[in-house]
Amino acid sequence: VQLLESGGGLVHPGGSLRLSCAASGFTFVNYAMSWVRQAPGKGLEWVSTISHSDAYTYYADSVKGRFTISRDNSKSTVYLQMNSLRAEDTAVYYCVTYKGNAFGIWGQGTMVTVSS
Amino acid sequence: DIQMTQSPSSVSASVGDRVTITCRASQGLSGWLAWYQQKPGKAPNLLISVTSNLQSGVSSRFGGSGSGTDFTLTISNVQPEDSATYYCQQANSFPLTFGGGTKVEIK
Repeated sequence: VQLLESGGGLVHPGGSLRLSCAASGFTFVNYAMSWVRQAPGKGLEWVSTISHSDAYTYYADSVKGRFTISRDNSKSTVYLQMNSLRAEDTAVYYCVTYKGNAFGIWGQGTMVTVSS
Repeated sequence: DIQMTQSPSSVSASVGDRVTITCRASQGLSGWLAWYQQKPGKAPNLLISVTSNLQSGVSSRFGGSGSGTDFTLTISNVQPEDSATYYCQQANSFPLTFGGGTKVEIK
């Protein structure tokens, strides 16, 4: 059972990044998927969730209109397209399963740094 | 949005002590409350879902209780490996929100 994030890095303010998360070891299509982030030295912040069938998406107010979550069940992969990035988006981004109203399986995280 | 207030922000305990962490929601959660443990440099780990449902593989020294707006995580007979930061999270409605965290230090 594994979630492997990729796509993080250093980006200038106003720039874009696309995070990917590849799932393995479980039936991906049965799980809603989420992104949760953690700024350096800070607590956890939920970012976005997509339903298992891709029918529903939810976003934190802090990213609404700038971030887009999507999934490809044929590839067992979930994505987070991040546009108009700001310094306050700097964080470790975790890919997480959301089932039974809890975040069950977590990836190792990918660091996103927004800086000029 | 539902606000989650977690207390204390930090606690220091001796091996064998009982540690209690509380989480208060700004509105009722119908039991949809989860607890996570995070060790430095690691991803969080789900300990308890739906107020008191202990996850497989999690020590029975961890217990959850509560209802309405007030919830508690109890660590009985605390051990050195319990040194970590603990977070509550409401799952009653979107946007999902976390408490601010409680850092547990073992003396």
